[in-house]
Formats: sequence, C-alpha cells, structure tokens
Amino acid sequence: AQSVTQLDSQVPVFEEAPVELRCNYSSSVSVYLFWYVQYPNQGLQLLLKYLSGSTLVKGINGFEAEFNKSQTSFHLRKPSVHISDTAEYFCAVSPPGDRDDKIIFGKGTRLHILP
Amino acid sequence: DVKVTQSSRYLVKRTGEKVFLECVQDMDHENMFWYRQDPGLGLRLIYFSYDVKMKEKGDIPEGYSVSREKKERFSLILESASTNQTSMYLCASSLLGGQPQHFGDGTRLSIL
Repeated sequence: AQSVTQLDSQVPVFEEAPVELRCNYSSSVSVYLFWYVQYPNQGLQLLLKYLSGSTLVKGINGFEAEFNKSQTSFHLRKPSVHISDTAEYFCAVSPPGDRDDKIIFGKGTRLHILP
Repeated sequence: DVKVTQSSRYLVKRTGEKVFLECVQDMDHENMFWYRQDPGLGLRLIYFSYDVKMKEKGDIPEGYSVSREKKERFSLILESASTNQTSMYLCASSLLGGQPQHFGDGTRLSIL
C-alpha cells in the first residue's frame, strides 16, 4: 500500500526567504507524484506533477519539486516566498494508470509567511 | 480549463435531515471523487466513481451514499445527518485513475 508523509504540519518563513516543504512517500511500484495548494476557503489546485522524465519539475507561481527515487522524496521548494503564498500545501502519490486507482494525499503543510 | 462546480459553498442543516451535495464537471472526466476535509486529518476519501452508475467505497463511507446517473454529475447523500458530519466537503474529477484531480471550491456543511 502507498502512503505519504508530510514531515511538517506548519512552516513559518519570512517574506522573500526561501522555503522547502518536505514530502516522503512509500510505494512498491512506480508512482506519479503531485503537489497541490489550497488557498483559504477554496478547493485544491494542482501546483505541479511528476509523471516521468526529468526529476526536477517546475510548477506554477515559481514553485519547483525534485523527485528523488532513492530517498523516496518529493520536496517542494521556492527560492523567494511572497505573502500571497500563504496557503496549505498537500503532497500526493498515485500508481499510474488503472481506472480505479486513487490518489493518496498527505495531511498537509500550512505555510505561514511572516512580514 | 476544467471546471468542477459544487452546488453550495455553505450549507446549514439539522440533525436527521437527508442532505444532498451536488457536483458537476464539464470535461468529460471518467472519475469523480468525494472527500471530506477536517483540521489535522487532511483529505479523507468518502466515495469515488470511475464510470456512470459505478461507485466504490473510500476510506470513510459510513453514513454516506452516492449517486452517478450521468457522467458529469456525482452526488453525495447524507442519509440522516449527524453533528459529526459537520465538515468541508470537496468534490474532484480526473480523466483516468491516477491522473491529476481537479477540485471544486468545496461545500462547508454545518449540521446543527
């Protein structure tokens, strides 16, 4: 069975500082990996995805993530955060392809941007 | 752009009522999902459907049922609402299993 662990429930960071949100997964098969963002009072929005190919994935709003198969990690990074990045971020994993496959979500990391 | 529309943003109901939450997607996606989101617990899958009239239980199906009569519409039903079903409910759709899911804005449901 697959699982996702987001190592930090909350991350405070000063505006314009870099940030890394950590995500580790467990799976015995190849996987797809995702990061979603949820702004206050909204649904989840896809930030970026890794399906195959280059292990460095670029997403929207200046975020990127690196797939590390040996460490089973998919950490999310941004070199300089803005107050508008205040949100909850969810890492997710799924096996590729079967019709009834489900995405497994982590419990989320709240990013607090400090002025 | 994929649009997933949930019928209500906020809903207040009373204990024992039958509650319907509606979700419509406009991209001909095969799969549709219902989650509930609670602080500290993340997203928990209630039910999903990978085809019309097909449904599969998720992790927490007790107290809920679903209906998918048409491909674009997936309804969540609380047969007899209870206060522990007060939560944020999120609907999502995806083209195929394992593909990125597209979410609606959520329905914040309060059961009094």
